[in-house]
Amino acid sequence: QVQLQQSGPGLVKPSQTLSLTCAISGDSVSSSSAAWNWIRQSPSRGLEWLGRTYYNSKWFNDYTMSVKSRITINPDTSKNQFSLQLNSVTPEDTAVYYCARSVIGSGSRGSFDCWGQGTLVTVSS
Amino acid sequence: DVVMTQSPLSLPVTLGQSASISCRSSQSLVYSDGNTYLNWFQQRPGQSPRRLIYKVSNRDSGVPDRFSGSGSGTDFTLKISRVEAEDVGVYYCMQGTHWPWTFGQGTKVEIK
Repeated sequence: QVQLQQSGPGLVKPSQTLSLTCAISGDSVSSSSAAWNWIRQSPSRGLEWLGRTYYNSKWFNDYTMSVKSRITINPDTSKNQFSLQLNSVTPEDTAVYYCARSVIGSGSRGSFDCWGQGTLVTVSS
Repeated sequence: DVVMTQSPLSLPVTLGQSASISCRSSQSLVYSDGNTYLNWFQQRPGQSPRRLIYKVSNRDSGVPDRFSGSGSGTDFTLKISRVEAEDVGVYYCMQGTHWPWTFGQGTKVEIK
């Protein structure tokens, strides 16, 4: 079955860049039937979908407007993983970050069937 | 953004009894393909969310048939029949019809 394993630092200083990686087993980051997402959870914002990357003849990205100017999600086909970079972080970006898979295609949309273990990222000096 | 409103936010239940959680969306969740992309997730203490239900009423593999989803348009319900101790946690609805996809605020289920 599909498993997602997250890695990355748990503490980031304000104004710096948050970077996390999600390693995929049991599926391919280049799959034409899956998208690879980042979601975060905080007491103040609840669960918030941040964005996704997926391959359909070429690579596509979708990002939520609230972080669109600061976020990059990149695939790494050589390691079968994908990453999250969030620039210019503030304490408001403190949250548990999850990677997740969503199936794409006819009759499939907007649903996360597999999640990573979560990473608590604290933004503090 | 589509706002997902759950009620109640806290739900104490007796073991063996049933529980219902309501989820209402600020817009219809019927997509142009005719499907309704409404999901339910369970988050047990200290764990990642786990999908229980997709497209309103389809149970994921391994999900007990005590869990059922229903509804249409803007009103949806998750029902847990015969609540067990392992059902304790927070339940979220989530819509995948409109960008950006959005979650409800969660309903905490606890045992009385």
